[in-house]
Amino acid sequence: GAVVSQHPSWVICKSGTSVKIECRSLDFQATTMFWYRQFPKQSLMLMATSNEGSKATYEQGVEKDKFLINHASLTLSTLTVTSAHPEDSSFYICSARGMQLRGSYNEQFFGPGTRLTVL
Amino acid sequence: GENVEQHPSTLSVQEGDSAVIKCTYSDSASNYFPWYKQELGKRPQLIIDIRSNVGEKKDQRIAVTLNKTAKHFSLHITETQPEDSAVYFCAATPEAAGNKLTFGGGTRVLVKP
Repeated sequence: GAVVSQHPSWVICKSGTSVKIECRSLDFQATTMFWYRQFPKQSLMLMATSNEGSKATYEQGVEKDKFLINHASLTLSTLTVTSAHPEDSSFYICSARGMQLRGSYNEQFFGPGTRLTVL
Repeated sequence: GENVEQHPSTLSVQEGDSAVIKCTYSDSASNYFPWYKQELGKRPQLIIDIRSNVGEKKDQRIAVTLNKTAKHFSLHITETQPEDSAVYFCAATPEAAGNKLTFGGGTRVLVKP
């Protein structure tokens, strides 16, 4: 199966600082990447969808200026949590999908997640 | 948009027994329904999926059924083992939505030896 990596796997930062999380597809070209947030004992909530070379599409209620997403290449997308606060502490997971064939569904491959703790 | 409800939220079964998790969805355009298993602190792993042109699919001890008319689908795990203990998520997506997955709330399954 396809491999997706995330870096860092965990990060602790002070309130007010910015944190960048990287999501890489290691053995395929990811035309689309998805960013999710998962609070403890809760489900995955989609934050945004990013397509290579274009602006990300954010889900309702997700602040674009706070969660900056860049998908500059077919193998890398980054999520930057700006001016992080304790309520941003969560498990952030990306997933990547290859070129979608017409009329079919391409499986999303999930990264291992990044646990963010904001003090 | 799509809304997926999942029940039960927790499920405790004796090793060897069967476990059933049910999900309902709201968008009749949804046509792909994956199930994921997530262990604590790990990534979700796809365990089985089904498309709307199929009513049932089986892979060894796991099976999924789909009722398009009623807009519900279920995961069945037979002969449960302790390693089946995890959180299971159902999801749904209409292909026209760019494969955006909407997840159910999750079911925490505990298999007691």
